[in-house]
Amino acid sequence: AQKITQTQPGMFVQEKEAVTLDCTYDTSDPSYGLFWYKQPSSGEMIFLIYQGSYDQQNATEGRYSLNFQKARKSANLVISASQLGDSAMYFCAMREGGGANSKLTFGKGITLSVRP
Amino acid sequence: DTGVSQDPRHKITKRGQNVTFRCDPISEHNRLYWYRQTLGQGPEFLTYFQNEAQLEKSRLLSDRFSAERPKGSFSTLEIQRTEQGDSAMYLCASSPGQGRNQPQHFGDGTRLSIL
Repeated sequence: AQKITQTQPGMFVQEKEAVTLDCTYDTSDPSYGLFWYKQPSSGEMIFLIYQGSYDQQNATEGRYSLNFQKARKSANLVISASQLGDSAMYFCAMREGGGANSKLTFGKGITLSVRP
Repeated sequence: DTGVSQDPRHKITKRGQNVTFRCDPISEHNRLYWYRQTLGQGPEFLTYFQNEAQLEKSRLLSDRFSAERPKGSFSTLEIQRTEQGDSAMYLCASSPGQGRNQPQHFGDGTRLSIL
C-alpha cells in the first residue's frame, strides 16, 4: 500500500479564495510527522507546514493550515486567500518514527493553478 | 542566511559516463539527505548522513551510486556508468538533527540528462 496518497487531479482556484489539497497516509507507527512542501516550476522544494501525530491542535502557518483527522489518516492542506504565486506542485510527506529514522516519504503531488 | 547549495544545476552527459554532484548543507545542520525526483513524481529517498556517517541507503541506490560526506560537511553523490534511467532531478536536503518536527530544507537540485 502507498504510504502517502494524493489523488486529486490538477486543482484550480480563483484568486483570493480558499482551497483544500487532500492527503491520506498509511502507517502503523504511532509516532510520525506529516509535512507539506511547495514546488514551483523553478524546482525548489519549499517547506510549508508540519503536523505531529501527537499534536492536539491542527497546525497553522500564516495562510496555511492543516486539517488533521487522525482516525481517518488524513492531513489536508488548506490555503486561504489564494494568491497567483501559490500556483505550484504541492507534496505531502511523512516521516515515521523518530530518532535515526529520518527519511521522508512523499506523495505524487498535486498541481494547483490559481486563476486571476 | 545561506540555504542548501547544489552544484551543478544542470548536467548533460552521455550514457556510460560518470557524474558527480555536490551538496553544501546549511552550516549548522548535521543531517544531510539525497533524493531523486523523476518527472511527475514526488521525491524518492536515496540516502542520508548524520555528520559523516551514512545511516541509511535505499534499495534505489544501486552499486553504481555512491555518496560521501567527508568531515560531516559537504556531500557528493557519484553515479558511475550512467544509464538512461538515471535522468532525473537529484535533490539534496539538510536538517538540524533529531526531532520529528524538524523540516528538511532542500536545495534547488541538480537536473541530470543522459543522452
